[in-house]
Amino acid sequence: EVQLLESGGDLVQPGGSLRLSCAASGLTFSNHVMSWVRQSPGKGLEWVSGISETGGDTYYSDSVKGRFTISRDNSKNTLYLQMNSPRAEDTAVYHCVTSNGGKVYACDIWGQGTKVIVSS
Amino acid sequence: EIVLTQSPGTLSLSPGERATLSCRASQSVRNNHLAWYQQKPGQTPRLFIFGASNRATDFPDRFSGSGSGTDFTLTIRRLEPEDFAVYYCQQYGSSPYTFGQGTKLEIK
Repeated sequence: EVQLLESGGDLVQPGGSLRLSCAASGLTFSNHVMSWVRQSPGKGLEWVSGISETGGDTYYSDSVKGRFTISRDNSKNTLYLQMNSPRAEDTAVYHCVTSNGGKVYACDIWGQGTKVIVSS
Repeated sequence: EIVLTQSPGTLSLSPGERATLSCRASQSVRNNHLAWYQQKPGQTPRLFIFGASNRATDFPDRFSGSGSGTDFTLTIRRLEPEDFAVYYCQQYGSSPYTFGQGTKLEIK
């Protein structure tokens, strides 16, 4: 069974930093593109960032470009999201997602998410 | 960035009725890489339509997706009580891989 387990969510001050992690199991991690998708309380879904299988290509939404950095360690089957200079509007549950085939940025497989609260 | 606009924002229907949900893209979606998700309260979203019209094998066949380019439609042929939820479209053809704002399908 494929599992994506996020961690690292916390209360962080505006302008601070936080690193989210996602441990993957039950799949050949290095064959899968990966993404982070967030959902603010009572709001819709927002695709945040994606990374290719090798980590050589990264993609970001306009709202986080220049502040967040996605990365992966295929030897540890782990995905990361480094959040720098977070803002109140970054408050959300962050989900690690991938697709069944692993080659497109559709979101078949979801982790349960980790909660990030940005507040002073 | 491709902006996806879903309509209506809320759709109030009764079980047994037909539902038609729209997802309009600001630019053509590459390769018709358009997906639909269903989200129920307290759950993560579930992908059930990919490639605009391909339904997941374990999803009821009363759901169908259609469209191409910039105009996409989700049709639910005869609503069951478990179909009332929020539906999102997502384009995964070009980065950033944006979602629509969602349509809430509620019981009338």
